[in-house]
Amino acid sequence: DGGITQSPKYLFRKEGQNVTLSCEQNLNHDAMYWYRQDPGQGLRLIYYSQIVNDFQKGDIAEGYSVSREKKESFPLTVTSAQKNPTAFYLCASSPGTGIHGYTFGSGTRLTVV
Amino acid sequence: AQSVSQHNHHVILSEAASLELGCNYSYGGTVNLFWYVQYPGQHLQLLLKYFSGDPLVKGIKGFEAEFIKSKFSFNLRKPSVQWSDTAEYFCAVQAGVAAGNKLTFGGGTRVLVKP
Repeated sequence: DGGITQSPKYLFRKEGQNVTLSCEQNLNHDAMYWYRQDPGQGLRLIYYSQIVNDFQKGDIAEGYSVSREKKESFPLTVTSAQKNPTAFYLCASSPGTGIHGYTFGSGTRLTVV
Repeated sequence: AQSVSQHNHHVILSEAASLELGCNYSYGGTVNLFWYVQYPGQHLQLLLKYFSGDPLVKGIKGFEAEFIKSKFSFNLRKPSVQWSDTAEYFCAVQAGVAAGNKLTFGGGTRVLVKP
């Protein structure tokens, strides 16, 4: 079945460490997105990529970095510069051309201690 | 930039009651509108979407939404809820290709349906 795989489901890290969250899709979608979900704040866009080797900052990009070396993969690194990294992170993809809704992954819950 | 406001953070109601969740957006251009649902422990799923045409949109599981352009609103409704409708509901607005087809979400409404 086609879909988006995020791993791991739960992740614990010590404060000051960088951590990379994985997102893989086999939907042949051009566009991929990273959102952060916090209670009462909905989903906020961190980074997005419309095509391989290109990406743009979203609304809350500070303290995060991404890469898009392959169409299928869009990993997100939460750096030590992110002031409040504990959150639920969602990856999504869309065909990219025209207007479409997104397909979401199951998310990664990151806890920094 | 677009923004989305959902009026209620929490809604509690009994089975068979009617549900209406408010959503207002701000954006100067043409938008596409969505409602997503997140059941406990599950992925975000698309409930319904509006691109153009009939402003009354029907989605899955008996949900519908009405786009009122003059009010910048896209409220979600269900005439009779079930316990299984307990979930968090998100309204979202999508600008066009030039804006990266980005979805902007509202803050979400947690709905608890009591049996």
